[in-house]
Amino acid sequence: DTAVSQTPKYLVTQMGNDKSIKCEQNLGHDTMYWYKQDSKKFLKIMFSYNNKELIINETVPNRFSPKSPDKAHLNLHINSLELGDSAVYFCASSQANPAFREEQYFGPGTRLTVT
Amino acid sequence: QKEVEQDPGPLSVPEGAIVSLNCTYSNSAFQYFMWYRQYSRKGPELLMYTYSSGNKEDGRFTAQVDKSSKYISLFIRDSQPSDSATYLCAMSGQAGTALIFGKGTTLSVSS
Repeated sequence: DTAVSQTPKYLVTQMGNDKSIKCEQNLGHDTMYWYKQDSKKFLKIMFSYNNKELIINETVPNRFSPKSPDKAHLNLHINSLELGDSAVYFCASSQANPAFREEQYFGPGTRLTVT
Repeated sequence: QKEVEQDPGPLSVPEGAIVSLNCTYSNSAFQYFMWYRQYSRKGPELLMYTYSSGNKEDGRFTAQVDKSSKYISLFIRDSQPSDSATYLCAMSGQAGTALIFGKGTTLSVSS
């Protein structure tokens, strides 16, 4: 069973389009994250949700809007795609309780290419 | 100064060698430390987790955290070609907060 899954795996689209990436976790975690990995492989946090509530919102353009319909799902919608949005987007989840181990588990990534 | 510094390598070693990977950090509030392994075109895979200072061993892997020096290490004994990957250190200060990653070290183990 896949712990953290993302769809689609690859996404090729043109500038100006709107696209969504979906993430699901079956680990029973209550916190989910979106990270962006740039061409130099550097991973950086974009958003974090805890029990459907936005916790972290780093300096990310307003064109990016996360949505969490329930604590097992976190989607990322991107409006008006730009060339610079090309990257790999990773979803992750963790059990954000100090009584538990604070490991974050990552999905396989969505490779977005904007042409 | 970046929050987490990691030498990107690349690091090339022969099979069977002991590999040492390191990160330094500047934020003394960090208390959760992780090492991830990432194969090409795959997601980061959690390798080792350490809370606060100390050592942890899991098979051929040993993680060390020295909070007084703000320095963490990952040792790989008897390295194998299958260990060839990018190794990312990551850390956070509180449960449920974002991980701050190093830039990753690319390791190549030749047979």
